[in-house]
Amino acid sequence: AQKVTQAQTEISVVEKEDVTLDCVYETRDTTYYLFWYKQPPSGELVFLIRRNSFDEQNEISGRYSWNFQKSTSSFNFTITASQVVDSAVYFCALSEARTSGSRLTFGEGTQLTVNP
Amino acid sequence: SAVISQKPSRDICQRGTSLTIQCQVDSQVTMMFWYRQQPRQSLTLIATANQGSEATYESGFVIDKFPISRPNLTFSTLTVSNMSPEDSSIYLCSVEVPRQGYYEQYFGPGTRLTVT
Repeated sequence: AQKVTQAQTEISVVEKEDVTLDCVYETRDTTYYLFWYKQPPSGELVFLIRRNSFDEQNEISGRYSWNFQKSTSSFNFTITASQVVDSAVYFCALSEARTSGSRLTFGEGTQLTVNP
Repeated sequence: SAVISQKPSRDICQRGTSLTIQCQVDSQVTMMFWYRQQPRQSLTLIATANQGSEATYESGFVIDKFPISRPNLTFSTLTVSNMSPEDSSIYLCSVEVPRQGYYEQYFGPGTRLTVT
């Protein structure tokens, strides 16, 4: 069975601080995909990144960066110089490598509040 | 990508009644999914709807409570039957789109349901 754990329920930071959201996963699959989604107060899910289990290179996209460590089954997400607009719930998710219809397993989410 | 709309965006319903949620996508897709997000909770898959066949329900969800229709490749409905306050949630549909050897999953904006 697959499982995703986001131990941080809520994080509160002041604008311009860096913040890291933790994600730990469990799977028996040798090939799988990891995701991060953002859910702002409006409720829609915004896709941020997808990472293949074979690709352990870290990725940076603007103020966002992701650290994938297969040895510790972690896929952490860092926001540099946080902004108020980053306030949202962030979900880490996992799916098996991909035949059609593979389900996404979501973590519990981390509520990030960035204060001005 | 895929553009997904849901109707209604939100509703307040009385217990014992039923609500049908519509999901429309701007392109033909084979797989559609329905998720539930209870207040301050993660997303849980309700069922997978493949056009032309019966929906496949996850453990804990049954067809009598959450009947699903999938009449064509761009549309699906989820009915929440005989509602109780515990059904108050955001209901999201998602679709699967093939992308370079992978199936990307896109989410609709969600339907916020409150049952009184």
